[in-house]
Amino acid sequence: DVKVTQSSRYLVKRTGEKVFLECVQDMDHENMFWYRQDPGLGLRLIYFSYDVKMKEKGDIPEGYSVSREKKERFSLILESASTNQTSMYLCASSQQGAAYGYTFGSGTRLTVV
Amino acid sequence: GENVEQHPSTLSVQEGDSAVIKCTYSDSASNYFPWYKQELGKRPQLIIDIRSNVGEKKDQRIAVTLNKTAKHFSLHITETQPEDSAVYFCAASIGGYSTLTFGKGTMLLVSP
Repeated sequence: DVKVTQSSRYLVKRTGEKVFLECVQDMDHENMFWYRQDPGLGLRLIYFSYDVKMKEKGDIPEGYSVSREKKERFSLILESASTNQTSMYLCASSQQGAAYGYTFGSGTRLTVV
Repeated sequence: GENVEQHPSTLSVQEGDSAVIKCTYSDSASNYFPWYKQELGKRPQLIIDIRSNVGEKKDQRIAVTLNKTAKHFSLHITETQPEDSAVYFCAASIGGYSTLTFGKGTMLLVSP
């Protein structure tokens, strides 16, 4: 069974802090994704990566960056956290892009105060 | 880019009734359409998917239909049970190394 593990279930950070959200998958998937989930807005793509050291912007990349130094790990970075980044963040991985669907992590609920 | 519209946003049914959730997509090149179920506090999980070369797919009480001409696809749940209560998301992609575009979700509540 594919496992996608997000390091923190809940995080509370202060405005202006640099925040790291970590995601690790254990099935040698090439593709990894970061989404944020907000009520009434569904799942919106922030960044994705098809290979190590490769990254592509999604639909809402502003205020975020990512890092993929190893195949199994994909980190989302909030350079300077703001209150409008309070949200549920979901990491996902897949083989062959979207062709076989995604496996999601359990999510990190981030609150910026 | 792709745009996926999903309706209704909430759906309440009685146990044993059927439930239908509908999605439309904008990109005629889309060819892969998965559905995810997210129970409260849990991760979204793939429950069924369909590709553009198939018009219908069924798995026990759930089925998905696809109308490529009209660019819409639907999730059908028969004989609903309280454990079907969840948020359901539809999605679409053009396959290959593309990404999934999700609908905004439907909260299904099944009352005993």
